Amino acid sequence: GAGVSQSPSNKVTEKGKDVELRCDPISGHTALYWYRQSLGQGLEFLIYFQGNSAPDKSGLPSDRFSAERTGGSVSTLTIQRTQQEDSAVYLCASSPGQGPAKNIQYFGAGTRLSVL
Amino acid sequence: AQTVTQSQPEMSVQEAETVTLSCTYDTSESDYYLFWYKQPPSRQMILVIRQEAYKQQNATENRFSVNFQKAAKSFSLKISDSQLGDAAMYFCAYRTPNTGNQFYFGTGTSLTVIP
Repeated sequence: GAGVSQSPSNKVTEKGKDVELRCDPISGHTALYWYRQSLGQGLEFLIYFQGNSAPDKSGLPSDRFSAERTGGSVSTLTIQRTQQEDSAVYLCASSPGQGPAKNIQYFGAGTRLSVL
Repeated sequence: AQTVTQSQPEMSVQEAETVTLSCTYDTSESDYYLFWYKQPPSRQMILVIRQEAYKQQNATENRFSVNFQKAAKSFSLKISDSQLGDAAMYFCAYRTPNTGNQFYFGTGTSLTVIP
């Protein structure tokens, strides 16, 4: 696609339920990032994928959070047993991974997660 | 620790005037990249301008320019001839390619443009 696509744009769930957030990066981009943006805060790094390398999971806040990237393209962020403090906007970004634009991230519009 | 500080949570500017948003960062690396991103109410982050640390010349993109002071670890954004469409959250960020893959973001500055 022309840009990074995230779905759903909004998600309301009940405490304790599992949720899956999807990110479809720009075609050909090898790098993919997930961030969490809480109200009034900056972006908190969650996880990074680069090609076929093992992902950098150093930002995941707990073992309830996990992410996959299938076939080097679409990524899914899963939050198990959601808690109210998980409420935030989850942003995905992709990057070419090489070339002159390798340090530029292209962001999706995010998924706003509300845990009741 | 890798940190980015934006000391102005909110700023306002009159339409057509100039405003400067401040940013300081902390890294021991000599090779890094600096960015300013804009986040309008649509939530989608848009790259405004970027600067390579090894370049002494300040980057410019039309009405947007930076004042990069490497020794002071300062990277301010100047918006000239402010327009209503400039109203947004602005985030300063940097990346150090030799110490991992993360981009480090500040907490943002909310810019209001007054007609």
